Amino acid sequence: EAGVTQFPSHSVIEKGQTVTLRCDPISGHDNLYWYRRVMGKEIKFLLHFVKESKQDESGMPNNRFLAERTGGTYSTLKVQPAELEDSGVYFCASSQSGRKLFFGSGTQLSVL
Amino acid sequence: EDQVTQSPEALRLQEGESSSLNCSYTVSGLRGLFWYRQDPGKGPEFLFTLYSAGEEKEKERLKATLTKKESFLHITAPKPEDSATYLCAVVTHNNDMRFGAGTRLTVKP
Repeated sequence: EAGVTQFPSHSVIEKGQTVTLRCDPISGHDNLYWYRRVMGKEIKFLLHFVKESKQDESGMPNNRFLAERTGGTYSTLKVQPAELEDSGVYFCASSQSGRKLFFGSGTQLSVL
Repeated sequence: EDQVTQSPEALRLQEGESSSLNCSYTVSGLRGLFWYRQDPGKGPEFLFTLYSAGEEKEKERLKATLTKKESFLHITAPKPEDSATYLCAVVTHNNDMRFGAGTRLTVKP
């Protein structure tokens, strides 16, 4: 069974540019989460989808971040325009029950 | 405010030297405590879930325990392949999962 896959694994962009991260959850998992780890800090929750609906987006830092999950399958997280403080590792996780989460390998985002 | 604190930040052990990692938490309405293992360049990998004080779970050389204020991850006779960052996370009453900063474990042969 395929796990959670994230694309790209690394992204280096300049301040002010746009970046879109993609997450393909495990097939059949209705719950999809985005998390972020900024250097030296703990992993922090960004938002939670149940199917195509945003269940909780309380962790989204500001309106430069836009997450979508069209059709309840894969999800994208767009950062526009990117700022230096957006650098970090962005993890996606999926779950069937909302309890045990399966994480992807993350996207390392570097904003220069 | 909900908080999860892990200690120590880093731990170096000799192969075979048992030890424990700590995760202390203050959350409103704990709905579960999770332990994850994370290897460099990978996402967190699920190890255990604990739901109530007094509960224990075991897997190979790892044993997780839970009290009302903290959880311990005991590592018995560790091997170099146990080297990783161990993350603790709690699920709060509103189903948010909050992570600690992790303990970076190095086991030397």
